[in-house]
Amino acid sequence: GAGVSQSPSNKVTEKGKDVELRCDPISGHTALYWYRQSLGQGLEFLIYFQGNSAPDKSGLPSDRFSAERTGGSVSTLTIQRTQQEDSAVYLCASSFATPGQGAPQFFGPGTRLTVL
Amino acid sequence: DQQVKQNSPSLSVQEGRISILNCDYTNSMFDYFLWYKKYPAEGPTFLISISSIKDKNEDGRFTVFLNKSAKHLSLHIVPSQPGDSAVYFCAALKAAGNKLTFGGGTRVLVKP
Repeated sequence: GAGVSQSPSNKVTEKGKDVELRCDPISGHTALYWYRQSLGQGLEFLIYFQGNSAPDKSGLPSDRFSAERTGGSVSTLTIQRTQQEDSAVYLCASSFATPGQGAPQFFGPGTRLTVL
Repeated sequence: DQQVKQNSPSLSVQEGRISILNCDYTNSMFDYFLWYKKYPAEGPTFLISISSIKDKNEDGRFTVFLNKSAKHLSLHIVPSQPGDSAVYFCAALKAAGNKLTFGGGTRVLVKP
């Protein structure tokens, strides 16, 4: 079956521009996560969606970052007024259960964002 | 405050031998531990996990050991194959939490 897909695979933008990154989770997965991996760093949690519940936004680094999940499926991560430090690989993951059940998260291939 | 650490940034092993990857954590509230493998330009791929109530879990060539008193876990790959060459991430999860907390990764190179 289809895995998690993300688009675009690469995005180069100029400082100050807004960008939108898209994630299509695995069908039937209720949980959706966004992470990012900066150069030479580990994966950093950004935001978590579970069903119709309010998202956990505790990992978003600033108010320039926002995300939404429409219809409990596709998610969009938006970065406004991009800065060079936003350059990273942005990874989306989905899971069929809540984190408390220890179910693994399945990751997409990521979007490599480069802010010039 | 890095709650999950992988102190070895890289590991080189001969094909057929055992690869041992180590991971230490500081938060005793973690309930699950997971290992992911990542190839360049791809997302992490789930390998194996272990609940904090267990001390060992095995799946084919992969075995994860958990030592709660030492707050340490390890991943054993036996026998190592060239296709295992990748970056391996240790991650931890709280049952009451909403995120995976990752270590910094260990790059494994399996030499033919």
